[in-house]
Amino acid sequence: NAGVTQTPKFQVLKTGQSMTLQCAQDMNHNSMYWYRQDPGMGLRLIYYSASEGTTDKGEVPNGYNVSRLNKREFSLRLESAAPSQTSVYFCASSRGQGYEPQHFGDGTRLSIL
Amino acid sequence: KQEVTQIPAALSVPEGENLVLNCSFTDSAIYNLQWFRQDPGKGLTSLLLIQSSQREQTSGRLNASLDKSSGRSTLYIAASQPGDSATYLCAVYSGANNLFFGTGTRLTVIP
Repeated sequence: NAGVTQTPKFQVLKTGQSMTLQCAQDMNHNSMYWYRQDPGMGLRLIYYSASEGTTDKGEVPNGYNVSRLNKREFSLRLESAAPSQTSVYFCASSRGQGYEPQHFGDGTRLSIL
Repeated sequence: KQEVTQIPAALSVPEGENLVLNCSFTDSAIYNLQWFRQDPGKGLTSLLLIQSSQREQTSGRLNASLDKSSGRSTLYIAASQPGDSATYLCAVYSGANNLFFGTGTRLTVIP
C-alpha cells in the first residue's frame, strides 16, 4: 500500500536555484494538497487541487507554483528558492474536499542555503 | 482567521496511564475536526475525524470529543503504551479547502 509518495525525501539547494517536488497518490483521490511545516507554526496550506485540472492558492502561495499533471500526480515548483522556503513539505490527498480525511506522504525536507 | 491551540506542547506519562490531549479553536463555525499522529521524520496519520454534528468518535483506545460551541476538542488515550509516543496534531476544517492545524502535543510514554 503506497498511499502518497513524495520525491525526493531530502534536498539542499542554493539561493536562486529552482526545483520541483513530486507527489503521487494511488488511492484514486480527487483532491490533493501541498503543505509546509515549520517549527512552532503548524502546517500551512500552500496550494491545493480540488480535482484534476484545477488548482487554487492556499494560505502561503507566494514563491510557489503547482501543476496537477493528472489525477494521480501533483507537483510543487520553487522557481527561485529563498532561505525562507527552508521547510518540510508535505503532500496530501483526500477523496473529496474538506469533509474527508486527508492522507499524507512522508515529506520532503528542503534546505536552502 | 481560525487559530488552533494545543496545550501542553509536550507531555510525559508512565506506561499504562490514561491521558487527555487538548485542542482549542477560535472560530466555532467549523465543518469537522481531525486528530492526526506524526512520528519523527514521517508524515501525518489520520486517527479520527469528527463531523461538526457529532459529539465524539472512538477508535480502539482512542476517543475524541468535540464541543463546537466552546471551541474545544479532547483526545483521550486509554492505557497508554510506549508505541503511542508521537506528536499529536489537531486540525479544523472551516471551508474553502483550508485545514487549520495546531502546533501539536509531543507525547512520550515511559516504559
